[in-house]
Amino acid sequence: EVQLVESGGGLVQPGRSLRLSCAASGFTFDDYAMHWVRQAPGKGLEWVSAISWKSVTIGYADSVKGRFTISRDNAKNSLYLQMNSLRAEDMALYYCVKDKGRYGDYEGHFDYWGQGTLVTVSS
Amino acid sequence: EIVLTQSPVTLSLSPGERATLSCWASQSVSSYLAWYQQKPGQAPRLLIYDASNRATGIPARFSGSGSGTDFTLTISSLEPEDFALYYCQQRVNWPITFGQGTKLEIK
Repeated sequence: EVQLVESGGGLVQPGRSLRLSCAASGFTFDDYAMHWVRQAPGKGLEWVSAISWKSVTIGYADSVKGRFTISRDNAKNSLYLQMNSLRAEDMALYYCVKDKGRYGDYEGHFDYWGQGTLVTVSS
Repeated sequence: EIVLTQSPVTLSLSPGERATLSCWASQSVSSYLAWYQQKPGQAPRLLIYDASNRATGIPARFSGSGSGTDFTLTISSLEPEDFALYYCQQRVNWPITFGQGTKLEIK
């Protein structure tokens, strides 16, 4: 059974940093690209970032480019999101998401989602 | 950035009825469009990928169609558990984008 368990969310002041983690199990982690998708309270879904299976291809939404860094450790079956210079508009539930396509850079459809970790940005 | 516009914003129907949800893209996404269902307090679930392919475990009453800029998700006969939020999503270009959602509610 595929499981994606996020952690690291919490309350943080504007301008500060936070690091999210995602522990993956139930599939061959290093065969798949991974993504972070966020959802502000009561709002829709926003793709944040993606990383290919070997970390060669990485992408970011314009709203987080230069502030967020995605990474992965295939030996630990883990995905990370380093979030710096946090803003009020970054407040959201952050989902760790598995790409549906096996091997290669990425496919871009999402077949498994974690339950999310909540990031609250407030002074 | 490709903008996806979903219609209607809210759809009110009764169990057993047919639901038709639309998604329009601001430029062609070929067939690289997916549909997701989200229920309150839950993560989204993949229903349809590449416009018309049902994901694993998705009932046959869900079907997708379209290509280019116009897409449709059809639920042939609504079950009580189908009332939820539905999002479309494109993968042809980065940034990956989602539609704003259609809320399917019980009439």
